[in-house]
Amino acid sequence: EAGVTQFPSHSVIEKGQTVTLRCDPISGHDNLYWYRRVMGKEIKFLLHFVKESKQDESGMPNNRFLAERTGGTYSTLKVQPAELEDSGVYFCASSQGRGSETQYFGPGTRLLVL
Amino acid sequence: AQSVAQPEDQVNVAEGNPLTVKCTYSVSGNPYLFWYVQYPNRGLQFLLKYITGDNLVKGSYGFEAEFNKSQTSFHLKKPSALVSDSALYFCAVRDGNTGFQKLVFGTGTRLLVSP
Repeated sequence: EAGVTQFPSHSVIEKGQTVTLRCDPISGHDNLYWYRRVMGKEIKFLLHFVKESKQDESGMPNNRFLAERTGGTYSTLKVQPAELEDSGVYFCASSQGRGSETQYFGPGTRLLVL
Repeated sequence: AQSVAQPEDQVNVAEGNPLTVKCTYSVSGNPYLFWYVQYPNRGLQFLLKYITGDNLVKGSYGFEAEFNKSQTSFHLKKPSALVSDSALYFCAVRDGNTGFQKLVFGTGTRLLVSP
């Protein structure tokens, strides 16, 4: 069974540019989550999809971040325009259903904004 | 609001010795507790979780953790450390009484196992 995959693995962009990150969850997992780790600090929650619906987007930092999950399969996270403080590692995770299910994480996308 | 504290930035242990990585948590409802490990240039790998039941939870690679409600702790342990256990370890908590499934993580503890 394939795990959570993320693309790209690394991205280097200049301040003001746009970047789109992609996450493919484990097949059959309805829940998809985005997290990020900035400046080596704790990993922070961004948002949670159940299928194509946003269940919880309380962690989204501002309106420069837009997450979508059309069709309830893969998800994209767009940052537009990127700022220096957006640099960090963006993780995607997925889980099967409601309750106490484990969240399985992807390898992350390392974003550097110059 | 939930929070997790990992008081040690780094833990050093010699191979073959027991190891402990500490974690304390704060949550208003029932704690769902998790440990994840990150090896260099890799993603987070799930190690173990506590939801309910036996306070001693066994997980992958010989790791175990003990849930202590009175001390609000969930320390990660292994009886005999391996050099290959060297990695970054994250503790996380979720409030089981809410419908929200977001995990709140600690800042991570780097484990270095010397030969």
